[in-house]
Amino acid sequence: QKEVEQNSGPLSVPEGAIASLNCTYSDRGSQSFFWYRQYSGKSPELIMSIYSNGDKEDGRFTAQLNKASQYVSLLIRDSQPSDSATYLCAVNGFQKLVFGTGTRLLVSP
Amino acid sequence: DVKVTQSSRYLVKRTGEKVFLECVQDMDHENMFWYRQDPGLGLRLIYFSYDVKMKEKGDIPEGYSVSREKKERFSLILESASTNQTSMYLCASSSFGDTEAFFGQGTRLTVV
Repeated sequence: QKEVEQNSGPLSVPEGAIASLNCTYSDRGSQSFFWYRQYSGKSPELIMSIYSNGDKEDGRFTAQLNKASQYVSLLIRDSQPSDSATYLCAVNGFQKLVFGTGTRLLVSP
Repeated sequence: DVKVTQSSRYLVKRTGEKVFLECVQDMDHENMFWYRQDPGLGLRLIYFSYDVKMKEKGDIPEGYSVSREKKERFSLILESASTNQTSMYLCASSSFGDTEAFFGQGTRLTVV
């Protein structure tokens, strides 16, 4: 079992819709969770961090964490074509980040 | 803003060459990391360092070594480059504890 799992996609949504990206992790001791956005040919860029159960909102982005289910998600409201990218889930364990393989999101105009 | 700078954006090397990839961060971060990224395999950790002169193997250390002589600089060394080391290499840094990491712009290395 991979440490951090994501559906590779692509996830296709129309402009203005809500995009829902999901991630599961295997280490129950993990305490910190991150979402990165990566455009093609570029390096990952941090967009959200979450440390406790529940929801955390930042603009159009909402991160959700459920430690009991070992599940973290990212919701993007009012999706825009500029949101088209690969979204990487990362989980911190013993000071090193473990990444999922990413979900490719396509937002069509 | 955190700045992580990698020495080269693109690099082409020959098989058997010794290759140095340099990374510098300006935020006094304790932790520094080297990842490689390949299609379908995601980001894989090669080595990381949590202090000067300290290093820990990641998931795929074979064929690589690292050096951290100063806190702000973390170097990745390919002892004898091979074609299967053609990849995007990403350096990152973070402060001590379970905190987010910030990435450099990446080095696309091609070994011919």
